[in-house]
Amino acid sequence: NAGVTQTPKFQVLKTGQSMTLQCAQDMNHEYMSWYRQDPGMGLRLIHYSVGAGITDQGEVPNGYNVSRSTTEDFPLRLLSAAPSQTSVYFCASSPLAGRPSEQFFGPGTRLTVL
Amino acid sequence: DAKTTQPPSMDCAEGRAANLPCNHSTISGNEYVYWYRQIHSQGPQYIIHGLKNNETNEMASLIITEDRKSSTLILPHATLRDTAVYYCIVRSNFGNEKLTFGTGTRLTIIP
Repeated sequence: NAGVTQTPKFQVLKTGQSMTLQCAQDMNHEYMSWYRQDPGMGLRLIHYSVGAGITDQGEVPNGYNVSRSTTEDFPLRLLSAAPSQTSVYFCASSPLAGRPSEQFFGPGTRLTVL
Repeated sequence: DAKTTQPPSMDCAEGRAANLPCNHSTISGNEYVYWYRQIHSQGPQYIIHGLKNNETNEMASLIITEDRKSSTLILPHATLRDTAVYYCIVRSNFGNEKLTFGTGTRLTIIP
């Protein structure tokens, strides 16, 4: 298993540009989520999904869109990038097994918005 | 989810046991204690979790006090590769997978 993969690893955008951060998992996990991490801070939840076709907002959803058309993929879209969105973005997945379980995190995408 | 309190930083000598404390005085009966760590800006890595009994796996031990208001993560023989930020997270009932990260404890293993 490749686990949770994220692309790209690094990205530089100009203010106002849009882009999609890709996340994929090959573990057939129902639950997927996106976090952002600013320097010296813990991770903050942006959006999450409990299965294909179902998404919901986390703590800091403004400026981001998500969709979940398949179990494997959970892309994060930045609609109009702003310097405040400069951050490291992590995708995570876990099974919804009806019992507590670990979340598996991807390696992150480092985004800079100029 | 209950709030957690951790010391911002700790040092530990290589080969010794690292004991990382966490206070979660407002924890409720169905909330689990989870520990994750993050090594040098990599994605967080799951370590261990527990409800009320002490737990041990190949990475660490988790000791939860009887009143469940605090816990300690123990790395029995710390190595330089254990240098990381350690997050104690209290998570509500299963079925709600959201993790709320604080700022954690930065553990430095000293050679």
